[in-house]
Formats: sequence, C-alpha cells, structure tokens
Amino acid sequence: DIVMTQSPLSLSVTPGQPASISCKSSQSLLYSDGKTYLFWYLQKPGQSPQLLIYEASSRFSGVPDRFSGSGSGTDFTLKISRVEAEDVGVYYCMQGIELPLTFGGGTKVEIK
Amino acid sequence: EVQLLESGGRLVQPGGSLRLSCAASGFTFSTYHMAWVRQAPGKGPEWVATINSGGGGIYYADSVQGRFTISRDNSKNTLYLQMDSLSAEDTALYYCTRSYGSGSKPGYWGQGTLVTVSS
Repeated sequence: DIVMTQSPLSLSVTPGQPASISCKSSQSLLYSDGKTYLFWYLQKPGQSPQLLIYEASSRFSGVPDRFSGSGSGTDFTLKISRVEAEDVGVYYCMQGIELPLTFGGGTKVEIK
Repeated sequence: EVQLLESGGRLVQPGGSLRLSCAASGFTFSTYHMAWVRQAPGKGPEWVATINSGGGGIYYADSVQGRFTISRDNSKNTLYLQMDSLSAEDTALYYCTRSYGSGSKPGYWGQGTLVTVSS
C-alpha cells in the first residue's frame, strides 16, 4: 500500500497569514494518463470531509482561490494564502493512483 | 445540489450483520462511481469499497474483503453496503461518497451513519 505522510501534525495560524501543509507519498502519484492523483480534503469540526483539491492542483467546485495545491511525483503542498476562521479543521491528503486509496495522518489547523 | 443520505447504522453485536443504504439525489446517479469510506473515532478516513457506475467493477479494502458487499440499484438511486461478521474494529462512521467530475475518487461525501460493534 502507498503510505502518505503529512507534516506538520498541527498548525496554529494568525488570521490573514499564510499556511502550508506538506504531504509525501511512498511512490510516485503520476499516472500514465499524465495526471497526478493526489487529493486534499478538509474536515471541519463535526462535519464530513470535503474535497478541496483534486489531481494535485485543481480546485474543486466552490473552493475559494486562497487554497492552492502544488507538487509532483511524491512531494506535494497545500497552501492557504490568507487563513480565515472558517478554515479550521483537519486537512488530509489522499492518493488515488492505486487501490487501496490511502490517506495521510492529517494536519490540524487552528486559529491563534 | 448533490445530496447523499446514509442510513442503517446502529449498535450491533460482534459477529452480527448490518446493511447500510445511501440515498442519492441532485445528480444522475447511474453515471458516477460510488464508494464507502469509514472513519473510526478519533482516526483518519479509511477507504472501504468502490463500485463503478454500472456496478460491474467492484473493489474492496483487504480489511473487509469477504465480509462486506457493496452494491447499487441505479433505478432507485441507492448505494448499499452489506456488512457481515462484524467486529469491534469495524466500529466507525460510514460515509457514502460520489466521485468527483470525470474521476472515480471521492468528491462529495454524505454526513455518515454510525456503526458501533459491541457486546
């Protein structure tokens, strides 16, 4: 199984400041179709996970443009340009290049 | 608006069975891959099973292979998960998910239904 490793475990951010989360996979997520199957989800407190970024860098429908995904191969980053109070929760990366789908351990983001 | 409404979760004894349902609305159900993803208390999500749009392609996590059966009824816009030989390790919130766009991975998630396995 592909192992997904996220860092940091937690992040405390001042509103309006940027934040960055790293995700590393144990093998390349670049598929033969040219797409990179790395996904980012946010699970707000008491809610189900919601898709933020698909295929490493594409924002999902309705996701604010302060969220951006980057990276290739095995190293990926989720950036929030200016953190807002509503961004608190646990962020998960997930690989979708092969089954079983596997998730990172999560990064908890809180507001200072 | 995409809506996924899970039901069927409850307290069940070890070794017991349960059938979860997911009623889908707001999209053409028969054209999307669907999946179940579970989340044990205090843990991250864990993929359980995926079924393609027509129901002919089915995949399971090793942890549930041979015990769980995913299925769908496209005429009823409903996804199912038959769970047999349940153990305490299956205790979790079970989410129904729909694939994103043209891909097959989870895009939309329901609110989940809680399965508790305990004597």
